[in-house]
Amino acid sequence: GAVVSQHPSRVICKSGTSVKIECRSLDFQATTMFWYRQFPKQSLMLMATSNEGSKATYEQGVEKDKFLINHASLTLSTLTVTSAHPEDSSFYICSASRYGTGTDTQYFGPGTRLTVL
Amino acid sequence: KQEVTQIPAALSVPEGENLVLNCSFTDSAIYNLQWFRQDPGKGLTSLLLIQSSQREQTSGRLNASLDKSSGRSTLYIAASQPGDSATYLCAVGNQAGTALIFGKGTTLSVSS
Repeated sequence: GAVVSQHPSRVICKSGTSVKIECRSLDFQATTMFWYRQFPKQSLMLMATSNEGSKATYEQGVEKDKFLINHASLTLSTLTVTSAHPEDSSFYICSASRYGTGTDTQYFGPGTRLTVL
Repeated sequence: KQEVTQIPAALSVPEGENLVLNCSFTDSAIYNLQWFRQDPGKGLTSLLLIQSSQREQTSGRLNASLDKSSGRSTLYIAASQPGDSATYLCAVGNQAGTALIFGKGTTLSVSS
């Protein structure tokens, strides 16, 4: 159990277009999901915290108008990269927190590779 | 602000060797610590999760220890195999329900 999926796994788009990435918790409910970004040979950096039914909390330096996050249900959060540019090319990974097991465990999705031409 | 450091950045060993990967963190008031494996171009595979009240966790050939007071964790890999080649990431959770803070990883190469 505790599977998190992401869609798409890979996307290539033209500069100036918008791209939506979905993160789903398949067999549990997640009130909180996290979005991370990983540049080549770098570690994962938190972009934002997504809470179901409320606005996302963005980390310093992350433009909330460029990276739109929607967490409309307990199993789905979406990240939309608006007006994408080549510098947005990166590996985007989401995670979902699962409570109620006595520990707070985060489960990670497989990631989405975004390439902006 | 919590910072996580992993040493070494890269490690090459022959098959069969036992090895230790190191992780240090600046704020000892953590909730948990997790070790992940990441293959090139892939997502994360969780290896071991250590709660703040625990000293170590074991899974097969892997053993992770946690010393909160000194801000250190180690991942011990016994009898390394070529299939162990990957990047190993250490991540700290400061509080329940918060995001993890990652180190930059140790890239391991095991030659046959």
